[in-house]
Amino acid sequence: GAGVSQSPSNKVTEKGKDVELRCDPISGHTALYWYRQSLGQGLEFLIYFQGNSAPDKSGLPSDRFSAERTGGSVSTLTIQRTQQEDSAVYLCASSPVGGTQYFGPGTRLTVL
Amino acid sequence: AQTVTQSQPEMSVQEAETVTLSCTYDTSESDYYLFWYKQPPSRQMILVIRQEAYKQQNATENRFSVNFQKAAKSFSLKISDSQLGDAAMYFCAYRSAWGGGGADGLTFGKGTHLIIQP
Repeated sequence: GAGVSQSPSNKVTEKGKDVELRCDPISGHTALYWYRQSLGQGLEFLIYFQGNSAPDKSGLPSDRFSAERTGGSVSTLTIQRTQQEDSAVYLCASSPVGGTQYFGPGTRLTVL
Repeated sequence: AQTVTQSQPEMSVQEAETVTLSCTYDTSESDYYLFWYKQPPSRQMILVIRQEAYKQQNATENRFSVNFQKAAKSFSLKISDSQLGDAAMYFCAYRSAWGGGGADGLTFGKGTHLIIQP
């Protein structure tokens, strides 16, 4: 079956602009995760959804970052007023409850 | 908080040889999961192998096997008969078994870049 998909594959934006990154999980996976991969910080866990609910948002780097999930499926990670330090690959993963996480191909964000 | 350490930034092995990638972790929990993921240049993170901490038997998947030493908090990955397609970044990861909120997120090591010499 289809895996996790993410869009766009690459995004170049100017400092100060808002961006939206999209994740389509594997059908039937109730859990969804966002991670950030950067040269300086490695792989960081950002946020986790169980259904449409995000019990813990403490991993988000700043209040410029927000995420939502609707219909227990698609999730959007929004970064407002982007900064150069937001440049990274943003990875999404999904899993059954308590199961193994399967990752999407990521979105490479470049902030100029 | 849990930490995962991969002490080998880069490893090189001849094709068809065996290579072992090291991983250690720190946790106060008794029940957890450990994973090895592979990330080729395409960026796609691919699950290689998974180990449940309550299982004493080491996990194996074809040419990939682990040496899980719970007391030593060590989780190394052995790749036998290395192939050119094994070239990638390899990440060791930890997840709590208790779940809920941030505990479900994976904690990753910094990764090991594996080079396969033809």
